[in-house]
Amino acid sequence: DTEVTQTPKHLVMGMTNKKSLKCEQHMGHRAMYWYKQKAKKPPELMFVYSYEKLSINESVPSRFSPECPNSSLLNLHLHALQPEDSALYLCASSPHAQGPYTGELFFGEGSRLTVL
Amino acid sequence: AQSVTQPDIHITVSEGASLELRCNYSYGATPYLFWYVQSPGQGLQLLLKYFSGDTLVQGIKGFEAEFKRSQSSFNLRKPSVHWSDAAEYFCAVKLIKAAGNKLTFGGGTRVLVKP
Repeated sequence: DTEVTQTPKHLVMGMTNKKSLKCEQHMGHRAMYWYKQKAKKPPELMFVYSYEKLSINESVPSRFSPECPNSSLLNLHLHALQPEDSALYLCASSPHAQGPYTGELFFGEGSRLTVL
Repeated sequence: AQSVTQPDIHITVSEGASLELRCNYSYGATPYLFWYVQSPGQGLQLLLKYFSGDTLVQGIKGFEAEFKRSQSSFNLRKPSVHWSDAAEYFCAVKLIKAAGNKLTFGGGTRVLVKP
């Protein structure tokens, strides 16, 4: 099993809604990531969890709230988003939490978010 | 400024022809280097990586890349392109001495394959 599974694949929400994106991996990976990708742009790092602890927050607005309930799950809670937050949100994991192998990322297919 | 540059935004290649995608980096020391591919509507997939040693590295799907320290480049190549290679390709770097797990991506190159 070498998959990173993201749900939902598509999400449409209003600016007052609260929703969550979910990510799951069963590869025993020790680090998990959230990336944001706008159309025709590279992924931008949002958050990194290493050993289930938040290790990097790339100055992401507080309307995005990550959560790592256990080593296999990663959530991104969304609240009071803006239309400019519409994007593809990618989850990734890496086998190691330190060293060069943290660059070896396994990505999910993403959750496409539209904020109305 | 530290950066990863992919000079070509789009490349169109005929099926069966060779492909070369350019990647240049600007850092004080050689970083760890990666190439990822993203097919339409999909997440990214790691093609290959370079940490040290042999400067020609082999990856999946018939791709290879050559690290050239003198040119600060890590170009991706494929001898014969298949229609399924149409995708977005991202070069990425991880600084050796950087704290944390931050991977920096280049702007990407979109590859179109003509029949």
